[in-house]
Amino acid sequence: KNQVEQSPQSLIILEGKNCTLQCNYTVSPFSNLRWYKQDTGRGPVSLTIMTFSENTKSNGRYTATLDADTKQSSLHITASQLSDSASYICVVSAKKPGGSYIPTFGRGTSLIVHP
Amino acid sequence: SAVISQKPSRDICQRGTSLTIQCQVDSQVTMMFWYRQQPGQSLTLIATANQGSEATYESGFVIDKFPISRPNLTFSTLTVSNMSPEDSSIYLCSARLGMNTEAFFGQGTRLTVV
Repeated sequence: KNQVEQSPQSLIILEGKNCTLQCNYTVSPFSNLRWYKQDTGRGPVSLTIMTFSENTKSNGRYTATLDADTKQSSLHITASQLSDSASYICVVSAKKPGGSYIPTFGRGTSLIVHP
Repeated sequence: SAVISQKPSRDICQRGTSLTIQCQVDSQVTMMFWYRQQPGQSLTLIATANQGSEATYESGFVIDKFPISRPNLTFSTLTVSNMSPEDSSIYLCSARLGMNTEAFFGQGTRLTVV
């Protein structure tokens, strides 16, 4: 069964500090991994996408890593800002026979950045 | 990219009634989806909205409870029928321009059934 596990479930940090969120998955056959940011009352917005051959991808202060061998990914946030307070969702897609793709969503990590 | 407008953004409904949620995309998209997101849980796919044909439902979701329409490539509706408090959740519309492209999401509809 395809699963995506995220940790920690929630995290509180001070503004300006760095943090790292984790994502472990058992999705097969692996196609890609995306990190989404979901602000309260909003839909998720894509931050990064990584395929099997990529092991790091940056988007501003967000840097995602992927270890396809251990099936782990991390999202590192540098110099956090108050606006980073949100839920961060790891989504891993598998490719079905026939060409369609099935995304499996993690439960998300709730990040709160305090001033 | 695609911008998705979803409405209503929230509603409080009486049990036994039905609510229809609308999803409008600013461009023609191949694939549209409806998800449910319960508090503290991950997004769960309800169904794929197929243009011009019946929606494809995931295990645990049925058409009588969640009828879906998709009359064209930019619009879809999800109806939550005969609601009970267990249906209280956030419902999200999503669209993809292609098979394995980024998924864009509406802002969600927060439904509370009393």
